[in-house]
Amino acid sequence: NAGVTQTPKFQVLKTGQSMTLQCAQDMNHEYMSWYRQDPGMGLRLIHYSVGAGITDQGEVPNGYNVSRSTTEDFPLRLLSAAPSQTSVYFCASSYSLDNSPLHFGNGTRLTVT
Amino acid sequence: AQSVTQPDIHITVSEGASLELRCNYSYGATPYLFWYVQSPGQGLQLLLKYFSGDTLVQGIKGFEAEFKRSQSSFNLRKPSVHWSDAAEYFCAVARNTGGFKTIFGAGTRLFVKA
Repeated sequence: NAGVTQTPKFQVLKTGQSMTLQCAQDMNHEYMSWYRQDPGMGLRLIHYSVGAGITDQGEVPNGYNVSRSTTEDFPLRLLSAAPSQTSVYFCASSYSLDNSPLHFGNGTRLTVT
Repeated sequence: AQSVTQPDIHITVSEGASLELRCNYSYGATPYLFWYVQSPGQGLQLLLKYFSGDTLVQGIKGFEAEFKRSQSSFNLRKPSVHWSDAAEYFCAVARNTGGFKTIFGAGTRLFVKA
C-alpha cells in the first residue's frame, strides 16, 4: 500500500517558471491538502479539497493553484515561481472530514533561484 | 482565529530522562487535537489524537498526552526518552468550521544526548 505519493522529491526552478507538484493517494480518502513547511513556522495550509471537484483556500494560497478531478490526485501548480516559494511541500490526505488524522507524503523540496 | 502555540523551539534531554513538550491552542470550542512526529527527510507521522472522553490519551512509541480544557493545553509526555526519539514534534488542531482545516504549531525539535 503506497499511501500518499509525492513527485518529484527535489526541484530547482528559476524565477518566473511554472511547475506542478504531483500528489496521489491510494487509500480512497476524500480529504486532501497541501502544506508548506518553513523553518520556525511549522506547516501552513495552502489549499485543500473535501472531494473531487471541490477545493478551497487555506492560510497561504497566493501564488498556487489546485484542482481535484479525481479522488486520487491533487496536484499543486505554481504558475510563476518566486524565491519566496522556496520551501518543502507536503501533501496529506485523510479518510473523513472531521476527526481523522492526516497521512503525509514524504515531501517535495523546492528551490526557486 | 484558531491557533496553536508550541513555546519551545527546541529541547534537549538526556537519554532515559522524562520528556514533556508543551502545546497551547486557541479555539472557541474543544477542537480535535493531534501530535505528529517528523524524522529528518520524512513526512509527519501521527503519534496520538484526542477527540473526547478520557483526557489522558496513549499513543505510539510510549508517548501520552493530557488534554486540559481549563488551560487550553495538550502537552505531550514520555517517561523515558530513547535516542531514536530525536525528531521534530508538531501539535495540531482541527475543526470543521465550514471548511475543514488542520492547523499546526511551529514545532519543537527534540535533541537527545547520551
